[in-house]
Amino acid sequence: AQKVTQAQTEISVVEKEDVTLDCVYETRDTTYYLFWYKQPPSGELVFLIRRNSFDEQNEISGRYSWNFQKSTSSFNFTITASQVVDSAVYFCALSEAGNSGGYQKVTFGIGTKLQVIP
Amino acid sequence: DVKVTQSSRYLVKRTGEKVFLECVQDMDHENMFWYRQDPGLGLRLIYFSYDVKMKEKGDIPEGYSVSREKKERFSLILESASTNQTSMYLCASSLWGANKFNTEAFFGQGTRLTVV
Repeated sequence: AQKVTQAQTEISVVEKEDVTLDCVYETRDTTYYLFWYKQPPSGELVFLIRRNSFDEQNEISGRYSWNFQKSTSSFNFTITASQVVDSAVYFCALSEAGNSGGYQKVTFGIGTKLQVIP
Repeated sequence: DVKVTQSSRYLVKRTGEKVFLECVQDMDHENMFWYRQDPGLGLRLIYFSYDVKMKEKGDIPEGYSVSREKKERFSLILESASTNQTSMYLCASSLWGANKFNTEAFFGQGTRLTVV
């Protein structure tokens, strides 16, 4: 069974601080995908990144960076110089091979609520 | 831009009512999903569909049914609403990627349903 653990339920930081959101996953598959989504107060989840299990290169996009480590089954997300607009709930998700019509089930973590205080 | 539109942002229904939540996507995606979001539980999959008239149960299908008569529309039906179905409901769609893995999902704005 696949599982995604986001141990931090809520984090508060002061604006301009760096913050790392942790994600630990469990899977028996060797091929899988990991995702991060952002859910701002408006409610609509927004895709941030998708990473496949064969690509352990870290990725940076502006103030966002992701650290994928298969050895520890982690896919952590860092926001550098946080801003108030980063306040949101962030979800980590895992997609692995499924059995029904080729569908790959996506399992979401429970989310980490980030509050950036001005 | 991909757009996933849910018919209502807020709904209040009475116990026992039949409730329809509608979702439309405009990007010709094969896959559509209904999730339920509750505090401390994250997103849980209710049903998904990978083609017209095709549906598969997710993790928590009890008390729900779905309909996909057209590719762009995926409806969630609460046959007899109960108070424990009070929740935020999220619709999403996605394409098949390489090797049939999911690409990123696009989500609607959510419907906050209250059953009284």
